[in-house]
Amino acid sequence: NFMLTQPHSVSGSPGGTVTISCTRSSGRIADYYVQWSQQRPGSAPTTLFYGDKQRPSGVPTRFSASIDTSSNSASLTISGLTTEDEADYYCQSYDNGHPFVIFGGGTRLTVL
Amino acid sequence: EVQLVESGGDLVQPGGSLRLSCVVSGFTFRSYSMNWVRQAPGKGLEWVSYISSTIATTYYADSVKGRFTISRDNAKNSLFLQMNSLRAEDTAVYYCARGPRGYSYEAFDYWGHGALVTVSS
Repeated sequence: NFMLTQPHSVSGSPGGTVTISCTRSSGRIADYYVQWSQQRPGSAPTTLFYGDKQRPSGVPTRFSASIDTSSNSASLTISGLTTEDEADYYCQSYDNGHPFVIFGGGTRLTVL
Repeated sequence: EVQLVESGGDLVQPGGSLRLSCVVSGFTFRSYSMNWVRQAPGKGLEWVSYISSTIATTYYADSVKGRFTISRDNAKNSLFLQMNSLRAEDTAVYYCARGPRGYSYEAFDYWGHGALVTVSS
């Protein structure tokens, strides 16, 4: 099994930029697709990126995703922050063994 | 417009059973794999189960294996989760989630709004 570790919380200012990291404990991050999802308070998750960088229609371009093989981590960067971006953000990946799909613990974004 | 609507959530006693449904619209259901994901109150997301578009392949998280069964009716655009031997730790909001074309359990692109299952005496 592996784990995906995210910071518990991050904060940023309106108009600013934040980056949320997601570090894989074992297995190469580049070998398995990473997904990022947003969950606003009281709402269901929505997908920001799947297949590393595939963006569903409607996701603003100020959201971007990347992979850093040197740190075995993925990152979600949000620019032009607004209060609407306040939410929990989850990374997700998988293993070809078991239990197949793993979520990171989630990162709470606060826009101050 | 892609829509996934869960139903069947309820209060059930420990050891009881419940069947969740997810009715979809706005896409050709039989062409897509599907998943169930749950979220306990105040906690993060936990993947529960996967079913391929052809129903040939199913996978389960260890926490539910042997107790939960995923199925689908492609003619009725419906996904199901039969939950037996329910435990307090199964209390959660259950979401159905679609796998994009060309992916199996590696990705989800659309999510339902969720159904609350509460296991308590």
